[in-house]
Amino acid sequence: DQQVKQNSPSLSVQEGRISILNCDYTNSMFDYFLWYKKYPAEGPTFLISISSIKDKNEDGRFTVFLNKSAKHLSLHIVPSQPGDSAVYFCAAIQSNAGGTSYGKLTFGQGTILTVHP
Amino acid sequence: DTGVSQNPRHKITKRGQNVTFRCDPISEHNRLYWYRQTLGQGPEFLTYFQNEAQLEKSRLLSDRFSAERPKGSFSTLEIQRTEQGDSAMYLCASSPGDSLYQPQHFGDGTRLSIL
Repeated sequence: DQQVKQNSPSLSVQEGRISILNCDYTNSMFDYFLWYKKYPAEGPTFLISISSIKDKNEDGRFTVFLNKSAKHLSLHIVPSQPGDSAVYFCAAIQSNAGGTSYGKLTFGQGTILTVHP
Repeated sequence: DTGVSQNPRHKITKRGQNVTFRCDPISEHNRLYWYRQTLGQGPEFLTYFQNEAQLEKSRLLSDRFSAERPKGSFSTLEIQRTEQGDSAMYLCASSPGDSLYQPQHFGDGTRLSIL
C-alpha cells in the first residue's frame, strides 16, 4: 500500500512563475515530512521539512504547507528557476511513540518538475 | 563534510551471482539507512543501523540480502544469488544520532543491472 502519494507524475512551469507540488498521505502516525530534490545520476538532496505541529515552513524560495486534517502537504517554489528542474520527492517519518520508529523515510513516487526559460 | 560515498557506482552482473556494495557515511553520523529505488518509484526502505547494530529490516529484505556495519562506520549490502528483480538503484543515507528527525544525507547510489 502506498502510504505517501504524489499523484502528479510531472509538472511544467514557466521561469519566474510559481511551482506547486502536491503530496497526500494515509498514515496518521506520520508526524514529520520532508521534501527532497533529485537530479539524474545523483542521490536525493534534502530541501525543506515540516513538523506536524506546524502548518507552514519557509526557506527562501521554498515553502511547505501542511494540512493535517486533509493529510495533504504541498511545496511551493517562488519564483521558479530552470535550475529547479528535477524530480521532487515527498517523504514522511513515523512518530517515535513507543520507541519503535528509527526515522526511516517513506517516499512518494516523485514529481518531475520542468521549468522552462 | 565529504558527503556519503557509495561504491561501485554501477554494477552489471549475471543472474545468480553475488554482489556487494559499500557505503561510507558522513563521518560521525550514527544512523545509516539503505534504500532501493526502481524506475518511476520513490526510494523504499531496506534496513537501518544505529552504530553497528542493525535495528530494523524491511520485509523487502529477503534472506538473500544481508547488511553489515561492523565497526559502526562503513556499511556493506550483499545480495546473494541475484535475480532479475534485484535490478535497481541502491541508495545509502546517513544522519546524526541526536534526533531521528534530522534530514538524511544520501549518496549517489549504486545502480545494479542483472543480465
